This record gives sequence, C-alpha cells and structure tokens, in this order.
Amino acid sequence: EDQVTQSPEALRLQEGESSSLNCSYTVSGLRGLFWYRQDPGKGPEFLFTLYSAGEEKEKERLKATLTKKESFLHITAPKPEDSATYLCAVQARGNQFYFGTGTSLTVIP
Amino acid sequence: DAGITQSPRYKITETGRQVTLMCHQTWSHSYMFWYRQDLGHGLRLIYYSAAADITDKGEVPDGYVVSRSKTENFPLTLESATRSQTSVYFCASSVALGRALASYNEQFFGPGTRLTVL
Repeated sequence: EDQVTQSPEALRLQEGESSSLNCSYTVSGLRGLFWYRQDPGKGPEFLFTLYSAGEEKEKERLKATLTKKESFLHITAPKPEDSATYLCAVQARGNQFYFGTGTSLTVIP
Repeated sequence: DAGITQSPRYKITETGRQVTLMCHQTWSHSYMFWYRQDLGHGLRLIYYSAAADITDKGEVPDGYVVSRSKTENFPLTLESATRSQTSVYFCASSVALGRALASYNEQFFGPGTRLTVL
C-alpha cells in the first residue's frame, strides 16, 4: 500500500536553531517526491521536487534531500517567517499523488 | 486576475443536496487536480484531468463527479452530499507531469473551498 509518513507532527524551534523534518514513504514506482509549504487558511505552495536517491535541492534556508526510503527537509537558522506546515507528497505510477499529514513548524523569536 | 481561483470560498449545504465547486485557471495548464484536506488524513486526491475531456480517479473518488469541457475549468460536483464530505477542497494545476519536463512538475494550488454538510 502506498503511504507517506511525516515526523514530527509538530516542531517548535528557537530562531536560529537548525533542525530537520522527515518524510518516509512506501510507494510503487516513485516518479517524484515533492515538498510544499502551507500557511493557515491557504493552499500549499511548492518548494522542491526530487527524483533520484542522492538528489539535493536548496532554497534560502531550506535544503531537501532524498534517499530510497525517505526525504529530509533541513532548515538552517530558521526565522519566524518560516513558521508554517510543511507537506511531503509522492507521485506514484499512474499519476497518483499521496500526501503526508504534514509537520507544523513554529519558530519562536 | 491571473492564477487559479476557486468558488465559492465557503459553502454550507444539507445532506442529500447537489453541490458544485468551481475551479478556474488562467495559465492553460494541461493537468488539473481536486484534493480534499481533512485533519489526520492530509491531502487526498479525488480526481485529476490530463486535458480537456480526459479525467481519471484518484484515491477517494466515490461520491464525486468531475468534468472538463474547457482546459481552464474543472468543476467538482457532489451529487448527493453527505456529512463525511465536510472538508476543505483544493484545486490545483500543473503544466506537465513526469521527469521529461522536470521543471514543470510543481502543482499550483487554489485558495480552497471550505464545505460544511449539515
């Protein structure tokens, strides 16, 4: 059964305190892994796409990495404006998309 | 305005009534999607469409109907609403899917429709 699990469910960090969010997946025929950011009351906003184990992508304070079974979203020196829910999704065969339940990140000034 | 819009933003209806949620995008994206978002389940794909007149089921299609007569519109209809369909519904669009066009795999999401079925 295709499945995406994110951990932790919630994370509180002090401003400047780096950490990582985890996304583990079991899916047949992975076609891509996606990270999104979602602010309260809004639709998800695209961050990264990863396709192959070993691939890494960076954007400002965020860096996403991918292995054969999981992906990490590393947040370096976060700021309060990084507070949001971060969603992981996988694209399986047949163009099916599966999302995790997200990690709610709070960065305290 | 350019982008992807959903209407209505909020809807309250009663069990058994038919409800249609609208989605409109101005980018001429090929792919469009409908998701529902519920606490504890995250986003779940209901239906998607690869082009006008081409639709396919997602993970949770039961109780929903879609159509796509024009590239820019992708309405979602609940033919007989049930309380279990109370949720936030998101529409999304994408230029293309697949690694061949790796730069264009991101999905752009609308602002969502909060639907309550009493």
